[in-house]
Amino acid sequence: DIQMTQSPSTLSASVGDRVTITCRASQSISNWLAWYQQKPGKAPNLLIYKASSLESGVPSRFSGSGSGTEFTLTISSLQPDDFATYYCQQYNSYWTFGQGTKVEIK
Amino acid sequence: QLQLRESGPGLVKPSETLSLTCTVSGGSISSDSYYCGWIRQPPGKGLEWIGSIHYSGSTYYNSSLKSRVTISTDTSKNQFSLKLNSVTAADTAVYYCARGRGSYSGWGQGTLVTVSS
Repeated sequence: DIQMTQSPSTLSASVGDRVTITCRASQSISNWLAWYQQKPGKAPNLLIYKASSLESGVPSRFSGSGSGTEFTLTISSLQPDDFATYYCQQYNSYWTFGQGTKVEIK
Repeated sequence: QLQLRESGPGLVKPSETLSLTCTVSGGSISSDSYYCGWIRQPPGKGLEWIGSIHYSGSTYYNSSLKSRVTISTDTSKNQFSLKLNSVTAADTAVYYCARGRGSYSGWGQGTLVTVSS
């Protein structure tokens, strides 16, 4: 089974900050990686697919990069609506989620 | 607009079978290249993929749950279902259904299932 490891687990940041979250796969997954945002009590929302493709309707301040085993999600200028938990997910071989990164207000 | 909605009992007794159905509207579950999946989230914890079914009928299950899980479709009703056998308190979670081409772009709102006697 492919394992996904996110870092950090929690991130404290201020509005306007540039934020980067890292996701590492236990083996190569090419670019079959997605990023989701989840707010309390809500279903996850797809932000990025195929490592770097922005889902329709998602603000351009979100971007993804990487391939193989190392990936990043970047928020270029953190907005109040962005405080949430973020998950990576691989879909190269079955599906696996990372453990999540909570972005908190500093 | 694609909508998914989970339905089923909110309370299941230990050792019994958890059964949920996802009804899809605004899009066909038989559409080319789409996967329909089930994901769960225990209270206060992260997301766990349970399993998925391809429009072709192929099924894929999490290895840690494989012996207890069955996912099936009813294309006439545009629904897909989850059965999880021999449940314990560890199976208490919010259960989500989702659809996508690998990544999941459409999600249900989730349904809380509690395992308790």
